[in-house]
Amino acid sequence: GAVVSQHPSWVICKSGTSVKIECRSLDFQATTMFWYRQFPKQSLMLMATSNEGSKATYEQGVEKDKFLINHASLTLSTLTVTSAHPEDSSFYICSARWSGRRGTEAFFGQGTRLTVV
Amino acid sequence: GESVGLHLPTLSVQEGDNSIINCAYSNSASDYFIWYKQESGKGPQFIIDIRSNMDKRQGQRVTVLLNKTVKHLSLQIAATQPGDSAVYFCAEINNQGGKLIFGQGTELSVKP
Repeated sequence: GAVVSQHPSWVICKSGTSVKIECRSLDFQATTMFWYRQFPKQSLMLMATSNEGSKATYEQGVEKDKFLINHASLTLSTLTVTSAHPEDSSFYICSARWSGRRGTEAFFGQGTRLTVV
Repeated sequence: GESVGLHLPTLSVQEGDNSIINCAYSNSASDYFIWYKQESGKGPQFIIDIRSNMDKRQGQRVTVLLNKTVKHLSLQIAATQPGDSAVYFCAEINNQGGKLIFGQGTELSVKP
């Protein structure tokens, strides 16, 4: 299957700093990428949908100024957690879908474990 | 987000037995469904998918059943193995915007 690479796999940062997470589709072009957040023993919660070249669409309750998403190319989307606080500690996962094909499977990155101290 | 933030139910089975994992989806406009397997500390891994114009699809050791009347999905794993131990999620894509929304998930534990 297609490969989605997410980096870093884990990060520890101090409260108040910002952290950037990268999501790359390695062998296909992805016009749409999704960003999820997952707390322990819970499901994946969709944070935002990112379309290449346009602004991301955020889910209700997700602060767009805190979770900055950029999808500058067909193979790269980034999530920046700004002014991180301990409650932002979570597992963040991206996924990417084949270019131009809605309604097909999405491929997932390996996730990023963020710990804010 | 639209997924439910409840703690995961668990299913414990004996190695070699068949497993059935159930999922209720929320949106009657969803037209594509996927089952994912997630191991600890990793991203979800695709298992099998099914479109809304089907009610059954089979893969290798896995079968997905779709009941649109009651908005219910199930994943059947034949001859469950210890390596099948993981959390299983169903996900739906609706035909309005194409968002991939995850269901609650079930933690499968296989006893040798």
